[in-house]
Amino acid sequence: DTGVSQDPRHKITKRGQNVTFRCDPISEHNRLYWYRQTLGQGPEFLTYFQNEAQLEKSRLLSDRFSAERPKGSFSTLEIQRTEQGDSAMYLCASSSPGQGNSPLHFGNGTRLTVT
Amino acid sequence: AQSVTQPDIHITVSEGASLELRCNYSYGATPYLFWYVQSPGQGLQLLLKYFSGDTLVQGIKGFEAEFKRSQSSFNLRKPSVHWSDAAEYFCAVAGGGFQKLVFGTGTRLLVSP
Repeated sequence: DTGVSQDPRHKITKRGQNVTFRCDPISEHNRLYWYRQTLGQGPEFLTYFQNEAQLEKSRLLSDRFSAERPKGSFSTLEIQRTEQGDSAMYLCASSSPGQGNSPLHFGNGTRLTVT
Repeated sequence: AQSVTQPDIHITVSEGASLELRCNYSYGATPYLFWYVQSPGQGLQLLLKYFSGDTLVQGIKGFEAEFKRSQSSFNLRKPSVHWSDAAEYFCAVAGGGFQKLVFGTGTRLLVSP
């Protein structure tokens, strides 16, 4: 178990630029989640995949955000035309198949700063 | 919809003293409850979880939590705090068929010598 891996750890970008983050879940986990955490807040759910299917998206995920998991393994989260309000920690998590509420395992996150 | 309240933003505890972090949840059915810990700049690590059964659950690092349905609470406890326990602690609730966790705003634990 190598854990959930996220890349990059930090990203600084200028307003209006596009950014893409990558998440590699624990290998046998078929469920993958993206959360966003702003300063002083708990993580907020963004979206969820089971295998390659994106099954739910939060209203927080505006049209500028898109997430993919093309082969049911790693996932990418892209933000187009970044805004300063997008500055946050983006957390990826995965969980194993089977029982519906198996615990989430989180990565160390990607911290995005939009200047 | 589920919600979680962690009423204490910061708590300072002396090393060796006992700790209790409060968590109240709102959910219409039987909740699935979790405590996670986050060190600065890091992701979240699961401390313990409650799904059903015994209402006192044991976790890692000497932590335990007690589910009290009548009070809609899931407080986290540790009998003797170590300096390495200083971190941010999040309570979370989930319901339904998948893990859409709803987190509280967290409690930052400071440990004084």
